[in-house]
Amino acid sequence: GENVEQHPSTLSVQEGDSAVIKCTYSDSASNYFPWYKQELGKRPQLIIDIRSNVGEKKDQRIAVTLNKTAKHFSLHITETQPEDSAVYFCAARTNDYKLSFGAGTTVTVRA
Amino acid sequence: DAGVIQSPRHEVTEMGQEVTLRCKPISGHNSLFWYRQTMMRGLELLIYFNNNVPIDDSGMPEDRFSAKMPNASFSTLKIQPSEPRDSAVYFCATDTSGNTIYFGEGSWLTVV
Repeated sequence: GENVEQHPSTLSVQEGDSAVIKCTYSDSASNYFPWYKQELGKRPQLIIDIRSNVGEKKDQRIAVTLNKTAKHFSLHITETQPEDSAVYFCAARTNDYKLSFGAGTTVTVRA
Repeated sequence: DAGVIQSPRHEVTEMGQEVTLRCKPISGHNSLFWYRQTMMRGLELLIYFNNNVPIDDSGMPEDRFSAKMPNASFSTLKIQPSEPRDSAVYFCATDTSGNTIYFGEGSWLTVV
């Protein structure tokens, strides 16, 4: 089955700086790559996603890039703010139903 | 739409008791997932239903766990008998076949 690895496990950045989280996947058939943000005590919420026919997608301060050849994808958060502090999960999905999650990255934005 | 609705939000029960978690999917979503989240194991898929039919239950830990989806608007996850190691957050999530998966608020289970 699909195996998704996520790095780093923790990330501390100064407010205003950028944060980058990287994930790799094992199944070349994976074609959908969402990113979820989970605040303490809350549910995971989708923040951005990308499909395999696209190399990059941006939504305001958040961007995701996908390299299908290398089988890795990354989340970029620019101009970080304290409210960006949360756990971020990457995930990968193939043509079947199963969404495989990375282990998560705890992001702390220092004021 | 109210989103995926789960109940109870929090439950504390004694070891050996039966626990039933409930989920109401988003209207029109034909896929339903039960996930378990713990610090040690992260987000684990327990079972997946498509059009009310269980497709893959390979993630269900053992026979103490069972799940049903009697109709398109209701699913249950049951643990009988419960054990302390079952303490976790249980999320129900739904989507429309390959599209975005939306999570419910979760059921926080503590077994003492």
